[in-house]
Amino acid sequence: DGGITQSPKYLFRKEGQNVTLSCEQNLNHDAMYWYRQDPGQGLRLIYYSQIVNDFQKGDIAEGYSVSREKKESFPLTVTSAQKNPTAFYLCASSTRPAGQGYEQYFGPGTRLTVT
Amino acid sequence: GDSVTQMEGPVTLSEEAFLTINCTYTATGYPSLFWYVQYPGEGLQLLLKATKADDKGSNKGFEATYRKETTSFHLEKGSVQVSDSAVYFCALSDSNYQLIWGAGTKLIIKP
Repeated sequence: DGGITQSPKYLFRKEGQNVTLSCEQNLNHDAMYWYRQDPGQGLRLIYYSQIVNDFQKGDIAEGYSVSREKKESFPLTVTSAQKNPTAFYLCASSTRPAGQGYEQYFGPGTRLTVT
Repeated sequence: GDSVTQMEGPVTLSEEAFLTINCTYTATGYPSLFWYVQYPGEGLQLLLKATKADDKGSNKGFEATYRKETTSFHLEKGSVQVSDSAVYFCALSDSNYQLIWGAGTKLIIKP
């Protein structure tokens, strides 16, 4: 079955530690995205990538980093510079960059708790 | 810039009631419009979409019509079920090919 895998589902870290969230897709999609969701709020874009070896900052990129070395994979690192890292993180992909009717497909999310 | 405004939740209805969740947008050009649904603890799923004015998207009994004259894309369902309880997000595709998201509307259906 084609889809997007995020692991782990729950992640706990101590403050000051970097942590990397995994996102893998087997949909052969070119574009991939990372969003952050806080309780009772909408989605905020962290980073996106339209093609391998290229990515752009979204609205809240500070304290985060990404890489896109393979088409299937788009890992997100939450660094110690991120002031409020506790949140629900969602990865998505689309055939083309969103627009002209190209919807995004989402993974199940990773809930990160930093104490 | 482009934006999406959804009605605030939670919206609480009894089973078999009629549902409307309002969504209005501000955009330059001719965006595509989407409704996504998020069940507790899960990722988002595309519910329906419309790519041009007067298009009607529909899925699982839900419908929404792309109204350019009123810049709206309201979500409707004739008879809701307890299983429809979720958070619903309206979104549009902007000129930079990103999705602009509404804040989400939590729907609670009581048996």
